[in-house]
Amino acid sequence: GDSVTQMEGPVTLSEEAFLTINCTYTATGYPSLFWYVQYPGEGLQLLLKATKADDKGSNKGFEATYRKETTSFHLEKGSVQVSDSAVYFCALTPLGGFQKLVFGTGTRLLVSP
Amino acid sequence: GAVVSQHPSWVICKSGTSVKIECRSLDFQATTMFWYRQFPKQSLMLMATSNEGSKATYEQGVEKDKFLINHASLTLSTLTVTSAHPEDSSFYICSARSGLADSYNEQFFGPGTRLTVL
Repeated sequence: GDSVTQMEGPVTLSEEAFLTINCTYTATGYPSLFWYVQYPGEGLQLLLKATKADDKGSNKGFEATYRKETTSFHLEKGSVQVSDSAVYFCALTPLGGFQKLVFGTGTRLLVSP
Repeated sequence: GAVVSQHPSWVICKSGTSVKIECRSLDFQATTMFWYRQFPKQSLMLMATSNEGSKATYEQGVEKDKFLINHASLTLSTLTVTSAHPEDSSFYICSARSGLADSYNEQFFGPGTRLTVL
């Protein structure tokens, strides 16, 4: 079945460092891909999405590119801030299955001043 | 963005009792609500999908009689864990979306409910 694999955390960085959180997926056809973020004590929020191959999703300085050839959707940010500390989830919806989200295990990011 | 609340945020109960968790969309009408379960260091696992006014659709392996879901209005869904046991201890998260089932509409997530069964 469809699945998402993302790197284990925690990822610990200093402020202004470059961030990469890896995400790969297994799915039939062309799923839509998402990154969600969960700040402490809050619900998951959609960070960015991409719905077809080579699309780049971006928001709040974060970017991820839908790579069909490597089945990947890695999250990147050029300069992290302490306020970016959160848990990041990679997810997909199967082709045609707009109701259903399949999540990765989440990666905790800790940014120190 | 749209806000989804859950109540309670944290509950402890004795084995054999039932626990009800509420999920509310505060500023939009949710035609569909979802219930997820999250184990420590594991991903969110979809338990069931509920559409307002109809029976919930459960994922494979989820006991319908154990996890009762009621989506009685466009702003409220409830999950009742019946005859809870320690293995039901987990973090339960709901989400809600508006719009048609065959189109993409963002899901908005609640903050989750931590259930501990003694």
